[in-house]
Amino acid sequence: KQEVTQIPAALSVPEGENLVLNCSFTDSAIYNLQWFRQDPGKGLTSLLLIQSSQREQTSGRLNASLDKSSGRSTLYIAASQPGDSATYLCAVLANAGGTSYGKLTFGQGTILTVHP
Amino acid sequence: SQTIHQWPATLVQPVGSPLSLECTVEGTSNPNLYWYRQAAGRGLQLLFYSVGIGQISSEVPQNLSASRPQDRQFILSSKKLLLSDSGFYLCAWRRGANTEAFFGQGTRLTVV
Repeated sequence: KQEVTQIPAALSVPEGENLVLNCSFTDSAIYNLQWFRQDPGKGLTSLLLIQSSQREQTSGRLNASLDKSSGRSTLYIAASQPGDSATYLCAVLANAGGTSYGKLTFGQGTILTVHP
Repeated sequence: SQTIHQWPATLVQPVGSPLSLECTVEGTSNPNLYWYRQAAGRGLQLLFYSVGIGQISSEVPQNLSASRPQDRQFILSSKKLLLSDSGFYLCAWRRGANTEAFFGQGTRLTVV
């Protein structure tokens, strides 16, 4: 059974810092990994999708890497801003021999606070 | 472009009352559709998914049911709500089984 762990559970940093959020998964047989952002009381916003054949993806100040063999992904946020404060979730899509049907397994999330 | 709508945004219902949450997707056809629940401290749990009209798969035994009466409409229901049904319900869609997933804004359900 796939399990996803995110470290740290919470992170508080001053504005302008570069930071790294970690995600690990137990089964390396995945199709892809997706990073989401969730603001309090809101739905999930997709940030980056990394296919299993890719090593990294970039969008603006965000860079996500994937090391499938070791079961790890990192989300790097450059020059953090107070508006980046949110919960960040990673989710993996298992490669279950073609029967995954798109079912994601989520980590518990990292609560990020960027203070001015 | 594609959009996903969920309603209502918040709902307070008494124990034993029925439930109907609706989710619709615009701008695409034959999407895969999903219902997740997010409970405090428990992360997101997949409840139901559908790969086509009338095709519903349940992931966990529970007091809830799902239906897909139209291609882009997904409904979460209950005949009699329990206190334990309280939570944040999220609908999601993707074009195919292995593509990017997109989520709605969620419904906060409080059963009292």
